[in-house]
Amino acid sequence: GAGVSQSPSNKVTEKGKDVELRCDPISGHTALYWYRQSLGQGLEFLIYFQGNSAPDKSGLPSDRFSAERTGGSVSTLTIQRTQQEDSAVYLCASSPTNSPLHFGNGTRLTVT
Amino acid sequence: AQSVTQLDSQVPVFEEAPVELRCNYSSSVSVYLFWYVQYPNQGLQLLLKYLSGSTLVKGINGFEAEFNKSQTSFHLRKPSVHISDTAEYFCAVSDATNKLIFGTGTLLAVQP
Repeated sequence: GAGVSQSPSNKVTEKGKDVELRCDPISGHTALYWYRQSLGQGLEFLIYFQGNSAPDKSGLPSDRFSAERTGGSVSTLTIQRTQQEDSAVYLCASSPTNSPLHFGNGTRLTVT
Repeated sequence: AQSVTQLDSQVPVFEEAPVELRCNYSSSVSVYLFWYVQYPNQGLQLLLKYLSGSTLVKGINGFEAEFNKSQTSFHLRKPSVHISDTAEYFCAVSDATNKLIFGTGTLLAVQP
């Protein structure tokens, strides 16, 4: 079956612009996670959804970052007023309850 | 708080030689442990997991790992590596919400 799908695969944006990153989880997976992968920082947890609610937002680095999930399916990660330090690969993962995570291929964000 | 330490940032090895990638974890509660592999420009793929039961866990591509509670380790091993095993390997521990906390990764560089 289809895996976790992320779009776009690459995004180049100018500093100060807003960006939206999309994640389509595997059908039926109730949990959804966003991670950020950057040089020197490894894999950082950002936010976790169970259904449409986000019980753990502890990894969002600032109030410029937000995420939502609708219909227990698609999730969007929004970064407002992007900064150069936001450049990274943003990974989405989904899972059934208490099962290993399945990762998408990520969105590579470059802020110029 | 849970944490994962991968002391080796890079492990060079010749083709057909054995390899061990080290992982130590810190947790005050029962843990679930994972190894993921990331090939260039791809997302993370689950290699193997330890949830309970036998401490020797076998995964895909001929990899195995041993959970050692007294040493808080979960080292990954393969008896004979191939060029195609060149990738970044991440050890991770999950918390009660199934959120993964990753180590900083080890680049396995297989040389002919």
